[in-house]
Amino acid sequence: DVKVTQSSRYLVKRTGEKVFLECVQDMDHENMFWYRQDPGLGLRLIYFSYDVKMKEKGDIPEGYSVSREKKERFSLILESASTNQTSMYLCASSLSEAGSSTDTQYFGPGTRLTVL
Amino acid sequence: AQTVTQSQPEMSVQEAETVTLSCTYDTSESDYYLFWYKQPPSRQMILVIRQEAYKQQNATENRFSVNFQKAAKSFSLKISDSQLGDAAMYFCAYMYSNYQLIWGAGTKLIIKP
Repeated sequence: DVKVTQSSRYLVKRTGEKVFLECVQDMDHENMFWYRQDPGLGLRLIYFSYDVKMKEKGDIPEGYSVSREKKERFSLILESASTNQTSMYLCASSLSEAGSSTDTQYFGPGTRLTVL
Repeated sequence: AQTVTQSQPEMSVQEAETVTLSCTYDTSESDYYLFWYKQPPSRQMILVIRQEAYKQQNATENRFSVNFQKAAKSFSLKISDSQLGDAAMYFCAYMYSNYQLIWGAGTKLIIKP
C-alpha cells in the first residue's frame, strides 16, 4: 500500500513565524502535491512537483514556497505565517500524469495549522 | 475554466438504503477523467471510484457506482446498502491533461442507524 506521511497532525504557530510542513511518500511516486482544504471551498492546489527539484505553481501559491530535494520528500514553507493561512494542509502523491490508472493521487493524513 | 460543482452540502441516509450524491462539471475538453474521493472524519482522503470520459460504461466498485452523463456533464455517485462506515465527506474531482485535479466543495454524508 502507498503510504504518505506528514510531519505533524496539529501545529500552532505565531504570526510572522517561518513554518515548515514535511511530506514523505514511500512508493517512488514521481508527482507530489500540496493542497489547502477549507470548509465550503474543497481542495485548492498550492504547488506541485513532477520531479526532483522541479515545481509548478498551483492556484494559490502566494505566501508559500516548496522544496523537493529528494524524490520521496516534498516540503511546504510558509515564509511568514499569517492568520489567513490557518487551514488544513494535505499532501498527496501520484505515479503519473492524467491518462492512466496510475494517475490516482494518494493523500497523507493532513496537518491542521493554526496561526495566532 | 474548468469547474466542479457539488450542489448538496449535506446528505443523510438510513443505514442499508441507497443514496446518490450529485456532481456537475464544466469543461470544453473531450478527453478527461473524473474521480470521487472519500474523507472520513479525522482520516485520510481515499479514492472511491475513477471514470474515464471516453468510456461509456459507468464505473463500479462494489457498493459504489457512478452515473456518468457526458453530454449533461454530470457525474453522480450512488452508494448502495449504506453502512455506518460510509459516513464521510465526499469530493468529486476532475482531471484532464496534466496532473492537476479540480475539486468540488464536498458533500457531507450522514448515515442514520
